[in-house]
Amino acid sequence: EAGVTQFPSHSVIEKGQTVTLRCDPISGHDNLYWYRRVMGKEIKFLLHFVKESKQDESGMPNNRFLAERTGGTYSTLKVQPAELEDSGVYFCASSQARSGANVLTFGAGSRLTVL
Amino acid sequence: QKEVEQNSGPLSVPEGAIASLNCTYSDRGSQSFFWYRQYSGKSPELIMFIYSNGDKEDGRFTAQLNKASQYVSLLIRDSQPSDSATYLCAVEGSARQLTFGSGTQLTVLP
Repeated sequence: EAGVTQFPSHSVIEKGQTVTLRCDPISGHDNLYWYRRVMGKEIKFLLHFVKESKQDESGMPNNRFLAERTGGTYSTLKVQPAELEDSGVYFCASSQARSGANVLTFGAGSRLTVL
Repeated sequence: QKEVEQNSGPLSVPEGAIASLNCTYSDRGSQSFFWYRQYSGKSPELIMFIYSNGDKEDGRFTAQLNKASQYVSLLIRDSQPSDSATYLCAVEGSARQLTFGSGTQLTVLP
């Protein structure tokens, strides 16, 4: 079974530019999550999709961040325009659980550096 | 007060010893509790989860949960150098999302 795949693994952009991160969840996983880890801080929740619907986007920092999951398969997270404080590692995770413990499988992350 | 608190460490133990990692949480409505291990530059990987009070054992790992004290711990027996990593405590709330602690860095010395 393929795991959660994220692309790119590392992106370096200048302030004001746009970056799009992609996540391919495990096939059949309806739940897809985006998390972010900023240097020295804990991993923070950004948003949660159930299939193609946004279930919870309470963690999105501001309207420069846009997440989509067209067709309920892969997801993209766009940052436009990027700011210095957006630097960090963006993790995607997916799960199948509809009940019981929600076991998330994480991707390797996309490291974003904004200069 | 942080929602999920862990001792940031670093924690060093000699090879073969027991490593004890602790975590407290603030939301009494939390449902399930997870321990993830993260090697530097890698993705968090699940070690185990627990949702009932008491102990749960899986090989060299034992998770302990005390909901009354809002406390969860992870014991690693017979620690190996390959156990050296950052250990993340995560708590699942009613919204089905996980809230993470800042992690405890563990070093097992050969």
